[in-house]
Amino acid sequence: DGGITQSPKYLFRKEGQNVTLSCEQNLNHDAMYWYRQDPGQGLRLIYYSQIVNDFQKGDIAEGYSVSREKKESFPLTVTSAQKNPTAFYLCASSMGLTLPGNTIYFGEGSWLTVV
Amino acid sequence: ILNVEQSPQSLHVQEGDSTNFTCSFPSSNFYALHWYRWETAKSPEALFVMTLNGDEKKKGRISATLNTKEGYSYLYIKGSQPEDSATYLCAFIGDGATNKLIFGTGTLLAVQP
Repeated sequence: DGGITQSPKYLFRKEGQNVTLSCEQNLNHDAMYWYRQDPGQGLRLIYYSQIVNDFQKGDIAEGYSVSREKKESFPLTVTSAQKNPTAFYLCASSMGLTLPGNTIYFGEGSWLTVV
Repeated sequence: ILNVEQSPQSLHVQEGDSTNFTCSFPSSNFYALHWYRWETAKSPEALFVMTLNGDEKKKGRISATLNTKEGYSYLYIKGSQPEDSATYLCAFIGDGATNKLIFGTGTLLAVQP
């Protein structure tokens, strides 16, 4: 089945440690995104990528890093510089950025808890 | 800062009731509006992508309208069923160059049998 796979689903991290969340898609989509959700807030964009080897900061990129070495993969690293890393993280993809009708497809998300 | 507001925050209805939610967004620089349905423990699923003022879209018992001049969209569910229970998100795109979605906080719908 085509879709977006995020792993792990639940992750606990000690303060001061970096952690990487995996996102893989087999939809042959060019664009990929990472969002973060906090209680009482809408999904906020962390990073997005239009094409392999290119990515752009979203609205809340500080303390995060990404890479896009392959079309199907867009891992997100939550670094120790991220002050409030405990959150729900959603990965998404779409065919491209510029067409208004492009639907965004989402993974099931990853819960990160810093202990 | 672009703001997308959804109301109500939550809604509890009985099976068979019809219901509607509102999504308000900036009326300038409109590019597209998305509606998503998000069931607990699942991925958000696209319902509608709306691009033209006056657009009306329908999918089964769910329909949506769009007014870009005044900056709002309504989502209607006719004859709600327990399986309609979910959070309904709207997301606004004001910049076509980046396709950046700005999400509202969602409306949580609970349909009681």
